[in-house]
Amino acid sequence: AQSVTQLDSQVPVFEEAPVELRCNYSSSVSVYLFWYVQYPNQGLQLLLKYLSGSTLVKGINGFEAEFNKSQTSFHLRKPSVHISDTAEYFCAVSGLGDKIIFGKGTRLHILP
Amino acid sequence: EPEVTQTPSHQVTQMGQEVILRCVPISNHLYFYWYRQILGQKVEFLVSFYNNEISEKSEIFDDQFSVERPDGSNFTLKIRSTKLEDSAMYFCASSESFSGNTIYFGEGSWLTVV
Repeated sequence: AQSVTQLDSQVPVFEEAPVELRCNYSSSVSVYLFWYVQYPNQGLQLLLKYLSGSTLVKGINGFEAEFNKSQTSFHLRKPSVHISDTAEYFCAVSGLGDKIIFGKGTRLHILP
Repeated sequence: EPEVTQTPSHQVTQMGQEVILRCVPISNHLYFYWYRQILGQKVEFLVSFYNNEISEKSEIFDDQFSVERPDGSNFTLKIRSTKLEDSAMYFCASSESFSGNTIYFGEGSWLTVV
């Protein structure tokens, strides 16, 4: 079975500073990895996904994530955040023929 | 861009009442899901549905819950007798295939049980 750990429940970052949101997963089989964003009072939107191939994945809104198999990580990064990035970010994993499992989420606070 | 739509956006119901949450998945998608997010907690898998039957369900999805695809477009979640702890945001989702493909989520239905 797969599981996802998001180590930080909240991350405060100054505007225009870089940010990294951490995600570690565990799985006994090949995995697909995702980052979803949830803006206040809205649904879940896919930021990016890793299925195979290049370990560096670029997504929407300037975000990117790197799949690291040896460290079982899929950290999300953005070089310069904007106030509009304030949201909850969920890391998720699924296996072949399996449902998607979410982490507990990390709330990103952008400080002026 | 095609999207998953859910109704109602918010429903308040009394404990013990039946609730039906409705979803219209993306038209060419074959796999459908319900997830739940209790306030301040993570998004939890409830059930997946394919070919007019449940393909997997979590331990949360007990006998009080049921899903149905009554016609070619709607996908519903019924809670037979709501409890206070059923208060949550319920997300419907759909995907073209069951693994690796993007799962598209609706905006969610807020259920408040009083």
